[in-house]
Amino acid sequence: GAVVSQHPSRVICKSGTSVKIECRSLDFQATTMFWYRQFPKQSLMLMATSNEGSKATYEQGVEKDKFLINHASLTLSTLTVTSAHPEDSSFYICSARNTGGTYGYTFGSGTRLTVV
Amino acid sequence: GEDVEQSLFLSVREGDSSVINCTYTDSSSTYLYWYKQEPGAGLQLLTYIFSNMDMKQDQRLTVLLNKKDKHLSLRIADTQTGDSAIYFCAESGNDMRFGAGTRLTVKP
Repeated sequence: GAVVSQHPSRVICKSGTSVKIECRSLDFQATTMFWYRQFPKQSLMLMATSNEGSKATYEQGVEKDKFLINHASLTLSTLTVTSAHPEDSSFYICSARNTGGTYGYTFGSGTRLTVV
Repeated sequence: GEDVEQSLFLSVREGDSSVINCTYTDSSSTYLYWYKQEPGAGLQLLTYIFSNMDMKQDQRLTVLLNKKDKHLSLRIADTQTGDSAIYFCAESGNDMRFGAGTRLTVKP
């Protein structure tokens, strides 16, 4: 079945540094990937839609200069949290649209980011 | 209002059935999903239903879809303590929208 690998699963970084999170589709090609953020005890919120070979589409209120998304290949999208602050601490999850599968979306296992 | 709505809490006794309800707004949704999230973990796809189906059963899980009312439910039969988690319903059109999650607590 379709598998999405997300790495790292946990990361702790110092305030002011940048962190890169990778999302890979292992056995299918994903022209579109999605990045979500989840605050404690809240639902997943879509941050941006990542399109292979073109600019990402950001949801309202999401700073594109802070959350850099690169989708350079059909199997890899990256989210870079730049100049991280403690309020960026959250759970980030990616998903990929598997157009060849029996259902459309597969999720990564998530990345717990803690900014200290 | 929210695109996808679900009640926040549900508490049941072990062995009883659990029913988690969800309403959505996007009539163009192709698939509707139920995900389970245990503490500190990612999302686990439990089941999904295609929008032209009314019901889907998968072992202890039964999904009912009322497309006219845009209502989705998940029934867990013989609920166990290991079923305690947060359950998210989600609809997919061009992207995916989630409900706030229902925290299911199973009491022994």
